[in-house]
Amino acid sequence: DTEVTQTPKHLVMGMTNKKSLKCEQHMGHRAMYWYKQKAKKPPELMFVYSYEKLSINESVPSRFSPECPNSSLLNLHLHALQPEDSALYLCASSRGGQGATEAFFGQGTRLTVV
Amino acid sequence: QQQVKQSPQSLIVQKGGISIINCAYENTAFDYFPWYQQFPGKGPALLIAIRPDVSEKKEGRFTISFNKSAKQFSLHIMDSQPGDSATYFCAASKNTNAGKSTFGDGTTLTVKP
Repeated sequence: DTEVTQTPKHLVMGMTNKKSLKCEQHMGHRAMYWYKQKAKKPPELMFVYSYEKLSINESVPSRFSPECPNSSLLNLHLHALQPEDSALYLCASSRGGQGATEAFFGQGTRLTVV
Repeated sequence: QQQVKQSPQSLIVQKGGISIINCAYENTAFDYFPWYQQFPGKGPALLIAIRPDVSEKKEGRFTISFNKSAKQFSLHIMDSQPGDSATYFCAASKNTNAGKSTFGDGTTLTVKP
């Protein structure tokens, strides 16, 4: 199983809503990532979890709150988002540790903030 | 400061032709250079990757050429097919966590039948 599963696939939320994006992998990977991708742009790293601990926060606004409940799951909690936060949110995982290895991306959640 | 520069922005190739996409990087600490293929509405998928200790890697119709001294690497797609039409991103990362990649801006490839 080389799959990273993201739910939901599509999400429309109002600026006052609270919602969560979910990501799951069963490859035994210990590094998980959230990326944001705007149309016709490359993915931009938001957060990195290494061995269930937040290791990198790329100066992301606090309206995005990541959570790693266990080594297989990664959540992104959303609150009071702005229309400019509309994008494709990608989760990825890799083995982690020394020695860069292949990263696997999920299909993404297409988020629209209205 | 853009650490990975990719060109061209878009590319149109006839079926059966060779597609070539180029990338240049600045940070000599990078030691893993993947290429991702992304179809509309999908996440990026790893196509092929190379480390700086080799100058070329080939997998099927896809070849990466790597020039460490010039800090450049390129993707060659031989016998390009319409199904190869997608956006291609080069990326670079350091020795831990391949997922913490710095991406190029992407190349939209269109292969005409």
